[in-house]
Amino acid sequence: GQSLEQPSEVTAVEGAIVQINCTYQTSGFYGLSWYQQHDGGAPTFLSYNALDGLEETGRFSSFLSRSDSYGYLLLQELQMKDSASYFCAAIRDSSYKLIFGSGTRLLVRP
Amino acid sequence: DGGITQSPKYLFRKEGQNVTLSCEQNLNHDAMYWYRQDPGQGLRLIYYSQIVNDFQKGDIAEGYSVSREKKESFPLTVTSAQKNPTAFYLCASSRTGVESNEQFFGPGTRLTVL
Repeated sequence: GQSLEQPSEVTAVEGAIVQINCTYQTSGFYGLSWYQQHDGGAPTFLSYNALDGLEETGRFSSFLSRSDSYGYLLLQELQMKDSASYFCAAIRDSSYKLIFGSGTRLLVRP
Repeated sequence: DGGITQSPKYLFRKEGQNVTLSCEQNLNHDAMYWYRQDPGQGLRLIYYSQIVNDFQKGDIAEGYSVSREKKESFPLTVTSAQKNPTAFYLCASSRTGVESNEQFFGPGTRLTVL
């Protein structure tokens, strides 16, 4: 089967750093993306990793280890507006279709 | 401003009725997608289209149908054969040939079947 596993919920304090993990099991794998979704809103693209290593985009960084079938999203200097659900999504074949994890709900406390 | 529109935001239908959800994009993207999202869950792919007049089933296509007669439009029909249609439906589009396949999402339609 094809699946991506993420923690269902994470809580952190404003200004802190939080890491959201994602392990994947797919028959094919091209890369791992991360999306953010606020309650009732549209998902928005955050980052993409095709190769092993860390990709940094402002306060957000994403990491991939193909050998471990594992990735994570790192959020630094947390702000209240970062409270949202975060989804990892794998590109599984040459059609570039995405398969999404079930999402991690991040709650940022003052 | 370029973007994706879905209408309406909320839709109520009686059981047994077909309903069509609209999705329009002016981003000039070739690929378009329909996803279903249930509470506390990820997005599941219903149908996708990579070019006009062509579309493919996703992971949960049963009870749904689509058409792609124009590049800008990708309507989804939820038929009476869909056993549990109440859900949040999201449409997305992307450029083809982009490694990340960054997808741009519409605001969604929340369908409730009574």
